[in-house]
Amino acid sequence: AQKVTQAQTEISVVEKEDVTLDCVYETRDTTYYLFWYKQPPSGELVFLIRRNSFDEQNEISGRYSWNFQKSTSSFNFTITASQVVDSAVYFCALSEVAGSQGNLIFGKGTKLSVKP
Amino acid sequence: DAGVTQSPTHLIKTRGQHVTLRCSPISGHKSVSWYQQVLGQGPQFIFQYYEKEERGRGNFPDRFSARQFPNYSSELNVNALLLGDSALYLCASSLGLAFYNEQFFGPGTRLTVL
Repeated sequence: AQKVTQAQTEISVVEKEDVTLDCVYETRDTTYYLFWYKQPPSGELVFLIRRNSFDEQNEISGRYSWNFQKSTSSFNFTITASQVVDSAVYFCALSEVAGSQGNLIFGKGTKLSVKP
Repeated sequence: DAGVTQSPTHLIKTRGQHVTLRCSPISGHKSVSWYQQVLGQGPQFIFQYYEKEERGRGNFPDRFSARQFPNYSSELNVNALLLGDSALYLCASSLGLAFYNEQFFGPGTRLTVL
């Protein structure tokens, strides 16, 4: 069955530290997409990245980087030189071609607190 | 351009009552999905609508229903409210139905059932 696991419930770091948020997924599909969303205290989910199952290239966007490894079914997210504004709950999500079209399967989220 | 909007922002109901939540998608988006997010959990898929038809349904009881209007806005209805229905209800819109479409989320409606 499809599933997304974010084993880290909460992480606390000091500003400027690097932090990695883990995501492990399960799916029987060979075609799927993986997403990361950020949820600040306001509650609105903010899209960060989308990656398809055929593209294992790592991606960097400013202080954010993502490491996708199909061999370990992982899609980890690293924030370099963290800032207080990075404090939020981060969700990893899976979307498959089979099953209900277009729905996202979310992990339970990792709450990141960045202290000054 | 306006993002996804939802109303109301907050709502307090008592057990057994009925509630209607509303969502307006981003202009040009034809697909609307609804998610329930219980405190401390990730969002769970409830429904997806596209071109006014239900195209996907999550594992929720029949007390939950929804519809999409010709202007692509949507309503989520919950009957016979239970305490466990207390949650943040999120609406997301996307251009189309495909599983790879990015979904844009609204700010949510926080429902409290007493």
